[in-house]
Amino acid sequence: DIQMTQSPSSLSASVGDRVTITCRASQDIRNYLAWYQQKAGKVPKLLIYVASTLQSGVPSRFSGSGSGTDFTLTISSLQPEDVATYYCQKYNSAPLTFGPGTKVDIK
Amino acid sequence: EVRLLESGGGVVQPAGSLRLSCAASGFSLSNYAMTWVRQAPGKGLEWVSSISSGSVSTYYADSVKGRFTISRDNSQNTLYLQVNSLRAEDTAVYYCAKTMGRNGLYYFDYWGQGTLVTVSS
Repeated sequence: DIQMTQSPSSLSASVGDRVTITCRASQDIRNYLAWYQQKAGKVPKLLIYVASTLQSGVPSRFSGSGSGTDFTLTISSLQPEDVATYYCQKYNSAPLTFGPGTKVDIK
Repeated sequence: EVRLLESGGGVVQPAGSLRLSCAASGFSLSNYAMTWVRQAPGKGLEWVSSISSGSVSTYYADSVKGRFTISRDNSQNTLYLQVNSLRAEDTAVYYCAKTMGRNGLYYFDYWGQGTLVTVSS
């Protein structure tokens, strides 16, 4: 099975900072990658699919890039409401594995 | 408005069984695959199982294969997960998720609020 890793596992940044989270697949998954945001005690929310397509209603400060095995989620200007754990998920084939998550908070 | 409402969770003894349900509204269930995802307390998200729109294809994580069965009744707008032979490590919040596309292997654009399954003696 394809393994998904994320780095860092957590980060602390200031409001307005540019934040980048990396997701890596152990094999080529083309662009079959989604990103989710989960705030504490809340339900996961879809942010990005097909590696770089922004879900409707998601602020434009979020962006995704990458293909093959290496992907990034970028928050161009971190806001207090972005405090959350972010997960990548591959969907090229079963199993539909999630990454372990990256916890983002405000410094 | 898309709504997904899970039910059926609870406290169950090891080796016990439960049937989880997910009532869908605000969209035509028959046009979409559906998925169950779980999250153990304080842990990350774990994909459990997916089913295609017409129930032709089902997919399971290795950790639940042979113990869990996903099914759906499109006429009742309901998704199910029969969970048998439960283990302590199955303790988690179980979310149902609307899955883009019909075949079952896609991303999830709407999630329910989840139902908690606790396996404990």
